[in-house]
Order: sequence, then C-alpha cells, then structure tokens
Amino acid sequence: QLQLQESGPGLMKPSETLSLTCTVSGASISSGSYYCAWIRQPPGKGLEWIGTFYYSGSTYYNASLKSRVTMSKDTSKNQFSLKLSSVTAADTALYYCATVYRQRYFDYWGQGTLVTVSS
Amino acid sequence: QSALTQPASVSGSPGQSITISCTGISSDVGVYDYVSWYQQHPGKAPKLMIYDVTNRPSGVSSRFSGSKSGNTASLTISGLQSEDEADYYCSTYTTRGTILIFGGGTRLTVL
Repeated sequence: QLQLQESGPGLMKPSETLSLTCTVSGASISSGSYYCAWIRQPPGKGLEWIGTFYYSGSTYYNASLKSRVTMSKDTSKNQFSLKLSSVTAADTALYYCATVYRQRYFDYWGQGTLVTVSS
Repeated sequence: QSALTQPASVSGSPGQSITISCTGISSDVGVYDYVSWYQQHPGKAPKLMIYDVTNRPSGVSSRFSGSKSGNTASLTISGLQSEDEADYYCSTYTTRGTILIFGGGTRLTVL
C-alpha cells in the first residue's frame, strides 16, 4: 500500500520561500510509475491544485501560481518536493501531496501539513 | 469562485438517496470523461470515491455512483448512512490553463 507523508515548516513569515517534502513509502519513485501532485486547502475552504511533477521531470503548474512554484524529486530519499516563493497570508493552508494518475485523478493522499504565514 | 460549480450543501435522511451536481463547461466536464469525486471527513485527507465519471476504486461502497450529462457530472449516494456525512469535491482535467480543477465542495448532512 502506497503511503505519502508531507513535512514542512509549520509557521512562516511573509516573503519567505516555503519548502515542503513528500516522502513516499511502499514503492520506489524511481520506478517512474508515480506522478506527484500538490494540492492545498485554506482553512475552512476548498481544494486547489498547485501542480503536478512527472518523474521525467516535466511539470505542470496552476497558472495562478506558476511564477512562484517549483517542483522536484530526490530519488535517493524517495521524496518529492514543493517550493513556493514570496509567500503571503493568502498561502496559509493545509498542503497535501497526492499521486495523480495521468492528470485524471488523485488516488493516494498524504495526511497534509499545515502551513501558516504570519508576521 | 471555483472553476466547477457544486451546491454548497445537501442533506438527506438515513436510507434515502441524494445527488450532488458538479457543473463545468465544454472545455472540461463537457468534453473529457475524467471527472473524479472525493470524500473528506473533518480533519482528514480527501479520499477518492469515483474516477473517470463512473468508476469506483476497490473498497469503495457500491452505494456511491457517478454519471455525467453534458457539462454536468453527478455523484449519487444511495442508502444514506451516518458515516457518509462529509464534504464532497468533484475534480476534472481541463484545457482552461490550470489543467486540474476542483469544485467548491458540497457538505452532506445526514439528518
């Protein structure tokens, strides 16, 4: 059974760069079978797709966040990562990583990590 | 404003059936059979309930079913149970620029 676990800083200040990791267990991301998506959910609000990272290195980002987002992988640690620059209070949210099947649906989800941006 | 439109809330009594709609446009729901549905209980991660409009992942109850007509997809839950009370989100692939979009979510209350 595939399992994903997000980790992040918890509390950040405006203008900083958010860095999150998604550790995958139960399978090797080196197999190339898994694409990683990041999704966020502001407190009390709905879900927003941030982007998808393909093992080949191709990335697809939400147009509204594209200028601030970078996704990558670390095969040695079996991890995917997300960086979001110049954060503001509007970026306060629960951030999830999930595997995505061919840009069609999100099948495995992590438990999420809460990121709060506050001065 | 979400890209896909869902009712904010629906309710039903145990044993009844309810339907949640998800309305998009011709560049997403109307043209691709890639609508998926997610169930989210408070404090929990979303769970995939339906994919590719009508398919259920292994382990999901047959009480959950999906359909689509034109630009509107629907999730039907039959034989409502108390544990079905949760938020439900639809999602689909789109050519609008964001590639993957969600609905605003629907809160299901089991009376």
